[in-house]
Amino acid sequence: DTGVSQNPRHKITKRGQNVTFRCDPISEHNRLYWYRQTLGQGPEFLTYFQNEAQLEKSRLLSDRFSAERPKGSFSTLEIQRTEQGDSAMYLCASSGTSSWETQYFGPGTRLLVL
Amino acid sequence: AQKITQTQPGMFVQEKEAVTLDCTYDTSDQSYGLFWYKQPSSGEMIFLIYQGSYDEQNATEGRYSLNFQKARKSANLVISASQLGDSAMYFCAMREGRYSGGSNYKLTFGKGTLLTVNP
Repeated sequence: DTGVSQNPRHKITKRGQNVTFRCDPISEHNRLYWYRQTLGQGPEFLTYFQNEAQLEKSRLLSDRFSAERPKGSFSTLEIQRTEQGDSAMYLCASSGTSSWETQYFGPGTRLLVL
Repeated sequence: AQKITQTQPGMFVQEKEAVTLDCTYDTSDQSYGLFWYKQPSSGEMIFLIYQGSYDEQNATEGRYSLNFQKARKSANLVISASQLGDSAMYFCAMREGRYSGGSNYKLTFGKGTLLTVNP
């Protein structure tokens, strides 16, 4: 399978715990995006990488959130001191180098904070 | 103001019939792209079709076509010959601006339309 993969697919955690999600993009894609989707809403942009550089962050990305893409391949999204409001689907997408390249999404990680 | 508006929370269609899902958008950019994605209950966002603001022809991809009316700022998705497997959430999304080497790559999504195909 050469699509975008995300792990884990589901995560249940207690409030206050830290969680980390991983995204593996399509291998030839140099751009990687994170989105968050809450129930009944469309995905909302969180952050974007071109290779290893994080080029844009949404105001949704509070200080408790950090994303990395250390070698320009896979990316991790960490949430520290989780809150119930962090419960959502976290979607990763990747795209190629042309200006209007389509973003292809992974299956997402569903987070539930108890 | 909402950048992407999908006014139909839910739509029903009979199998083998065509259905149109509405999308209107708001942007002051001259250059932008419009996308439609399908999200089955499993959660994955599946790309369906893309329309660029400068494209003169309406985009088509198999059973999917995009009815692009630039003056009305609408980009409706038409699904022909509906199949049971088309039952899913459908999202319209927009990317604004064309910045070479810039960072304006994020997609802005609407709230989606839940399509149910009846046998």
